Amino acid sequence: EAGVTQFPSHSVIEKGQTVTLRCDPISGHDNLYWYRRVMGKEIKFLLHFVKESKQDESGMPNNRFLAERTGGTYSTLKVQPAELEDSGVYFCASSQDLTSGSPLHFGNGTRLTVT
Amino acid sequence: QQQVKQSPQSLIVQKGGISIINCAYENTAFDYFPWYQQFPGKGPALLIAIRPDVSEKKEGRFTISFNKSAKQFSLHIMDSQPGDSATYFCAASRSGATNKLIFGTGTLLAVQP
Repeated sequence: EAGVTQFPSHSVIEKGQTVTLRCDPISGHDNLYWYRRVMGKEIKFLLHFVKESKQDESGMPNNRFLAERTGGTYSTLKVQPAELEDSGVYFCASSQDLTSGSPLHFGNGTRLTVT
Repeated sequence: QQQVKQSPQSLIVQKGGISIINCAYENTAFDYFPWYQQFPGKGPALLIAIRPDVSEKKEGRFTISFNKSAKQFSLHIMDSQPGDSATYFCAASRSGATNKLIFGTGTLLAVQP
């Protein structure tokens, strides 16, 4: 079984530019999550998709962040325009259902550096 | 306001020793407490998890101890090995939002040979 795949693994952009992160969840996983870890702090929840619908986007920092999951397969997270404080590691995770017996499977993350 | 507090920030243990990482939480609505292990360049991976109806759960060399009244839980790694060197995150979540996890800040464990 292929794991959660994220692309790119690293991205370095200048303040004010746009970046799009991509996540391919495990096949058959309806639930897709985005998390972020900033500067060695805790990993924070950003949002949760169930198929193509946003179930919970309470963790999105502001309207510079836009997440989509068209067709309920892969997801993208766009940051526009990027600010210095957006630097961090963005993790995508997926799960089959919402029970604790269906744990989160994380991707390896995208390390975003905004200069 | 950090809902899950984790300590220590870093830990050095000799091979064969016991590694202990502690977490405390505030929200009594939390009812799922997983621990994740992360190696450099990789994403976090579920290591072991517990619900508050039990005080201890053991899987191999890894044990979670849970104290509901104190709102604390800890990870014990027995017979620590160099391959256990990683960052460990505790987390918590509420019923109905099991995978909307609130993470601690992580503990960097180094097991010296």
